[in-house]
Amino acid sequence: QVQLVESGGGVVRPGRSLRLSCAASGFTFRNHAMHWVRQAPGKGLEWVAVLWYDESKEYYANSVKGRFSISRDTSKNTLYLQMNSLRAEDTAVYYCVRDPGRDGLDFDYWGQGTLVTVSS
Amino acid sequence: DIQLTQSPSTLSASVGDRVTITCRASETFSSWLAWYQHKPGKAPKLLMYKASTLESGVPPRFSGSGSGTEFTLTITSLQADDFATYYCQQYYSFPRTFGQGTKVEIK
Repeated sequence: QVQLVESGGGVVRPGRSLRLSCAASGFTFRNHAMHWVRQAPGKGLEWVAVLWYDESKEYYANSVKGRFSISRDTSKNTLYLQMNSLRAEDTAVYYCVRDPGRDGLDFDYWGQGTLVTVSS
Repeated sequence: DIQLTQSPSTLSASVGDRVTITCRASETFSSWLAWYQHKPGKAPKLLMYKASTLESGVPPRFSGSGSGTEFTLTITSLQADDFATYYCQQYYSFPRTFGQGTKVEIK
């Protein structure tokens, strides 16, 4: 079965960096685009970034453009989110999400999320 | 960026009620809209895509309609399992955007 397991969250001071990882299993990772979506405490869902299955394209939310970078290691079936210059407003649960590659849809399987808290 | 505005933000209803949630877009994008159900501590669940296509396994009491800039999600007879937060999401252009969510709570 499809499994997505995020890790790397924690408490970090404003301006510092953090890298999230997402270990994928149960499907052919190299065939799927992958997204990060976040949810700040008490807020709604916010799409963060996507990386194409072949790494040919990547897109970011305006709120993280220039600070966050999405990447993947197909040999390790792992997706990453490098987060630099972190701000208090980046505090959220970060979800790794698989793109189903059908019907133009973005999301089918979601991880359980990892909490990032940016605080001094 | 395409902004999505859902109404209402909160909806109080009883089991058996008919419930309608509206999602309005800041610009037209045909029918590239999905609806998700989200419960606390769980992964969001896809209900509907292409505005009106029911995802496999989703009960037929859920239906979607609309195109262009106005979309609706309707639950014809609310069940206890349906109390949750619902989000619309456009997948027409980047950056992808969600509505702010509609919380359906027990009256």
